[in-house]
Amino acid sequence: NAGVTQTPKFRVLKTGQSMTLLCAQDMNHEYMYWYRQDPGMGLRLIHYSVGEGTTAKGEVPDGYNVSRLKKQNFLLGLESAAPSQTSVYFCASSWTGVGSYNEQFFGPGTRLTVL
Amino acid sequence: AQSVTQLGSHVSVSEGALVLLRCNYSSSVPPYLFWYVQYPNQGLQLLLKYTSAATLVKGINGFEAEFKKSETSFHLTKPSAHMSDAAEYFCAVSDRRGSQGNLIFGKGTKLSVKP
Repeated sequence: NAGVTQTPKFRVLKTGQSMTLLCAQDMNHEYMYWYRQDPGMGLRLIHYSVGEGTTAKGEVPDGYNVSRLKKQNFLLGLESAAPSQTSVYFCASSWTGVGSYNEQFFGPGTRLTVL
Repeated sequence: AQSVTQLGSHVSVSEGALVLLRCNYSSSVPPYLFWYVQYPNQGLQLLLKYTSAATLVKGINGFEAEFKKSETSFHLTKPSAHMSDAAEYFCAVSDRRGSQGNLIFGKGTKLSVKP
């Protein structure tokens, strides 16, 4: 199993450009999450999904959109990138049911720089 | 609302010395608690988790943590630091009742190990 994978690993954008980050998991997990990590801020939840076709806002959703058309994929979009969106983005997934305890499994991250 | 406070953004120890990383949580309901480790340029990896089965939890790489309800703490320890332990460590809390499996993360503690 590959676990949680993220594409791309690195990206540089100019202000105003758009892009989509792809997260894929092969563990048949119901829940998926997008976080951003900034120095001294820990991880902050952007959006999450509790199942195919569902999405919900997290702590810092402004400027981002998401879609979950397939259970295994969770896409994060930036419609008009801003320098404040320079960050490292992590995707995570988790399963539901007895014994899950809400443990999340993380991807390797995407480092995004907006100039 | 749940929250996590990690005391000390940077901790430095000598190789072979005790590692103690502090985490205090706030939760109105019995929580699940986690410690994750992040090595440079990598994603987060689960070290250990508290699920109420036992208050002293053992994890990977010789780490352990003790849940103390009276102190609302879940400090991470390792008797003898190794150079390979240098990383950033995140404490996280989750509501047992679900909250769509959301985790609330602390801001992280960067551990340096001196030879």
